[in-house]
Amino acid sequence: GENVEQHPSTLSVQEGDSAVIKCTYSDSASNYFPWYKQELGKRPQLIIDIRSNVGEKKDQRIAVTLNKTAKHFSLHITETQPEDSAVYFCAFPPGGYNKLIFGAGTRLAVHP
Amino acid sequence: GAGVSQSPSNKVTEKGKDVELRCDPISGHTALYWYRQSLGQGLEFLIYFQGNSAPDKSGLPSDRFSAERTGGSVSTLTIQRTQQEDSAVYLCASSRQGASNEQYFGPGTRLTVT
Repeated sequence: GENVEQHPSTLSVQEGDSAVIKCTYSDSASNYFPWYKQELGKRPQLIIDIRSNVGEKKDQRIAVTLNKTAKHFSLHITETQPEDSAVYFCAFPPGGYNKLIFGAGTRLAVHP
Repeated sequence: GAGVSQSPSNKVTEKGKDVELRCDPISGHTALYWYRQSLGQGLEFLIYFQGNSAPDKSGLPSDRFSAERTGGSVSTLTIQRTQQEDSAVYLCASSRQGASNEQYFGPGTRLTVT
């Protein structure tokens, strides 16, 4: 089936702490795994993505790791800042299809 | 360059009326997507267009929903005989080609059915 489970649904951290969000997907043929950030009242924007030929990708304070055997991928944010507060969505394209299925989202709150 | 635009930004309609929502994708993007986002919820896939191929309509929730894309550019999402449960933000996105490329989202149309 076409399904991605995202956890946790809400996450509250202190500024400077790390945050980790995990997604588990259903289709082992999928090969592209993006993460989108949606600030309150704004449109979703891509923050990082990973393809199945690598296990980890980093971009400053953000990293994504992929475990294809277990069919899960995770978003890691280090040294969190208040501006990281937003809803984060993982997504994946079920193999053979050209659409993205999004997770239910994680609402991250970073407290000063 | 110009991003994805959508119109109207807000639409209030009475139950039972038809509505049309418009999306202008980024020039040169061959893929176009429609999503629905209910308050505080995730992104629900509705329909996908890729070039001249037949659209993937697998996400449309009922036959009251339809969409077309003219000339490989502008797209219109039509909801007939609107119901209160249709109230949501309808987001359009475009990408260069297919789902394995960054999707650029429009600002959305907030639909309220009274």
